[in-house]
Amino acid sequence: AQKVTQAQTEISVVEKEDVTLDCVYETRDTTYYLFWYKQPPSGELVFLIRRNSFDEQNEISGRYSWNFQKSTSSFNFTITASQVVDSAVYFCALSESAYSSASKIIFGSGTRLSIRP
Amino acid sequence: DGGITQSPKYLFRKEGQNVTLSCEQNLNHDAMYWYRQDPGQGLRLIYYSQIVNDFQKGDIAEGYSVSREKKESFPLTVTSAQKNPTAFYLCASSLRESGSNEQFFGPGTRLTVL
Repeated sequence: AQKVTQAQTEISVVEKEDVTLDCVYETRDTTYYLFWYKQPPSGELVFLIRRNSFDEQNEISGRYSWNFQKSTSSFNFTITASQVVDSAVYFCALSESAYSSASKIIFGSGTRLSIRP
Repeated sequence: DGGITQSPKYLFRKEGQNVTLSCEQNLNHDAMYWYRQDPGQGLRLIYYSQIVNDFQKGDIAEGYSVSREKKESFPLTVTSAQKNPTAFYLCASSLRESGSNEQFFGPGTRLTVL
């Protein structure tokens, strides 16, 4: 069965610190997709990144970076020089192959990130 | 602007009453989804639909019903059979019901049963 684990329930750091959010997943599929979403206090989930299982290159987008390691089944998310606006709940998610007729996204339980001024 | 709208933002219901949550999208997406979120927890899938007039149960469908008469609309009814309906409900859509496509989310409806 598929599963996504975000062991960090809450993280609090001071502004400008770097912070890493951990994500560990389980799947039997060889082809799958991983996602990160941000949920600000308004409640709406905002898509951040998608990564397929064949692409292990790390990705950087501004202050955000993602480290995908198949060997450890992890897809960690790092925010560099954090800002107060980064405060939100962050969800890691996993989806089956595009060829599955019933593919769904499985979400982790989320990590609440608080950035203190 | 393209997007997903959910209404109302806040909804109060008395025990024993059915209530319908609205979800509309103008993204021309084929697939639509309903999730439930409880405090401190992730999202759990209630129902999803790949195409008009077709939908499938998710992980927690009991006490809920849906319809998909139009591509743009996917309303969710929370029935009196749902034993603990107080939660935050999120609607989403994607280009097709496929693992490769990210889902886009609406702003959510917070339902409180009094």
